[in-house]
Amino acid sequence: EVHLVESGGGLVKPGGSLRLSCAASGFTFSNYAVNWVRQAPGQGLEWVASINSVSTAIYYADSLKGRFTISRDNAKNSLYLQMNSLRAEDTAVYYCARESCDNIRCYGVDDHWGQGTLVTVSS
Amino acid sequence: QPVVTQSPSASASLGASVKLTCTLSSGYSSDAIAWHQQLPEQGPRYLMRVNSDGRHTKGDGIPDRFSGSSSGAERYLIISRLQSGDEADYYCQAWGTDTGVFGGGTKLTVL
Repeated sequence: EVHLVESGGGLVKPGGSLRLSCAASGFTFSNYAVNWVRQAPGQGLEWVASINSVSTAIYYADSLKGRFTISRDNAKNSLYLQMNSLRAEDTAVYYCARESCDNIRCYGVDDHWGQGTLVTVSS
Repeated sequence: QPVVTQSPSASASLGASVKLTCTLSSGYSSDAIAWHQQLPEQGPRYLMRVNSDGRHTKGDGIPDRFSGSSSGAERYLIISRLQSGDEADYYCQAWGTDTGVFGGGTKLTVL
């Protein structure tokens, strides 16, 4: 069974940094692209960043470029999100998600989610 | 990048059927999308992927009452025999050129 477990959230002051982790199990992590998605309080889902299986293709939401860095360690079955220069508007639950693939191709959308980790940016 | 449009709300009666629509912007009508359900105070749950030809691939444990279809740039989520537990936000997700995108979500009310 696929499991994605996020950790590393918490309370941080504006301008601070935080590193989120996502531990994957139940599938061959090194074969899949994985994504970060966030949801601010009372708002909808927002795609944050994606990384392909071998870290050669990395994409970010335009509004986050330069502040957030996605990375992965396939040996540790782990995904990371380094968040710098945090702002109040970054307050959200952050989810990791696995890309949906079949025997033919992958589709860029997600088919498994973690339970999320809450990041609160406040003084 | 694609724009994904959803109606903000929908409603239907207990036991009835409802069809939610996700519309892809021009140039992305051949893309697959994913439908996700978010129950109150819970995280998102993958329901299914819907390809442009209407084939849909459901997640583990998703009841047969949930199905998907496609027509042109529109992707549908059909829920039959509505239950009170189906009351939730439903999000459509797509992938464009180097970017992911979610629709704004449809809040489904079961009357």
